[in-house]
This record gives sequence, structure tokens and C-alpha cells, in this order.
Amino acid sequence: GESVGLHLPTLSVQEGDNSIINCAYSNSASDYFIWYKQESGKGPQFIIDIRSNMDKRQGQRVTVLLNKTVKHLSLQIAATQPGDSAVYFCAEKETGGFKTIFGAGTRLFVKA
Amino acid sequence: DTGVSQNPRHKITKRGQNVTFRCDPISEHNRLYWYRQTLGQGPEFLTYFQNEAQLEKSRLLSDRFSAERPKGSFSTLEIQRTEQGDSAMYLCATPGGQANEKLFFGSGTQLSVL
Repeated sequence: GESVGLHLPTLSVQEGDNSIINCAYSNSASDYFIWYKQESGKGPQFIIDIRSNMDKRQGQRVTVLLNKTVKHLSLQIAATQPGDSAVYFCAEKETGGFKTIFGAGTRLFVKA
Repeated sequence: DTGVSQNPRHKITKRGQNVTFRCDPISEHNRLYWYRQTLGQGPEFLTYFQNEAQLEKSRLLSDRFSAERPKGSFSTLEIQRTEQGDSAMYLCATPGGQANEKLFFGSGTQLSVL
């Protein structure tokens, strides 16, 4: 069935280091992928997205990489800051579809 | 500010009681989504509305659950005869972005069924 999963449930990094959060998806029909950040007591917040016709997309301190061959998605955070501590979810969607499917999440801890 | 207001923020109830949550998008959206999130998991799709019409319901939405969007603006989610397994965060979202594919979530209603 459809699933979007993450390889690591928790990730601990030193402040200032780069973070890499990975995700695997299984629905070949998905062509739009999104990363969300969720802080305690809040709903998920959009970070960055990528369409299947791209391999890489950069935002401010964040980069998303998409490898369609192995159905793998990653989020890279440069110069990780304490404010980046949160749970990160990857999500997938088919263009024109109505449902966004979320993975289980990775909790990022940033050590000062 | 995500543009979606949910209340109450927290609800504690006893098993067997009925509860109702409300979602108020700040601006008009044709579509409105409800998701459920349990501890340590990603949000799971429950249902969505296109204006007043409820177009899709997940199999997670048992007969005890009912959602409405009477005027195509705010929405309510009611759970009847609550069970401990209903304990979760209930999230409401509206689409946005260039192609209306990003979801903007409210802060959710945290339900605890004792």
C-alpha cells in the first residue's frame, strides 16, 4: 500500500553542524513531495517542497533532494540552530489528488 | 499565524461522552481537511470538504465520527461515545501555495479520553 517512511526516528546534531533527514516513499504515482516541521504543541508547518521533475531544490538553509530511482527523499539543514529542534515529516501527494500522505517523522535534537 | 484557528486546544473527556471540535479558517478556502495525529506518528487523513460537500472519508472515520461544514467556511468534527483509542491530536488544514497543494495546519485540538 501507499506509505511514506523515515529511516531514523531521532537525530541528534551539534549546533552549527549540518543535518540530514531521510525519507523513503513507495507510491510511484506521487509527484509532489513536501517537508513539514512540527514544534511541540503546534500543527505541522510547511518548510520546502519539490516536484518529481526536479532532483534538488534549495531554500533558506534547507535543501531537499529527490531520488526517484530509489524513491528516496532527504532534507538537509545547513548550520543547524537550536530553533531547528522539532519533528520533521516528509509527505507525498499526487498532483490533482486530494490527499497528502505523511510519514512517521524524525525528531531532531540540536545540542548547544 | 497559519490562517486556521482550532478550538478547544485541549479536551479531556470520559469514555462514552460526546465531543465536538471546531475549525475556523481565517480566509475563505474551497477545501478544508481534517487529520488525526497520535503520539510519535505523522498526521493521518480523516476527511476533506470541497465547500459544503464532504467528498472523501477515510476508513479511520468510524460511524461515531461526523464532520460538517454547513456554510463552506468553518467546520466541526464530532465524536460520539468516545473511546480511549480516540485520544489524539485532531488537526484541521486548508490548502495554499501556487497550486493549492501545501497544507496550512491549525494548532490542533488535543483530545484525551479517560
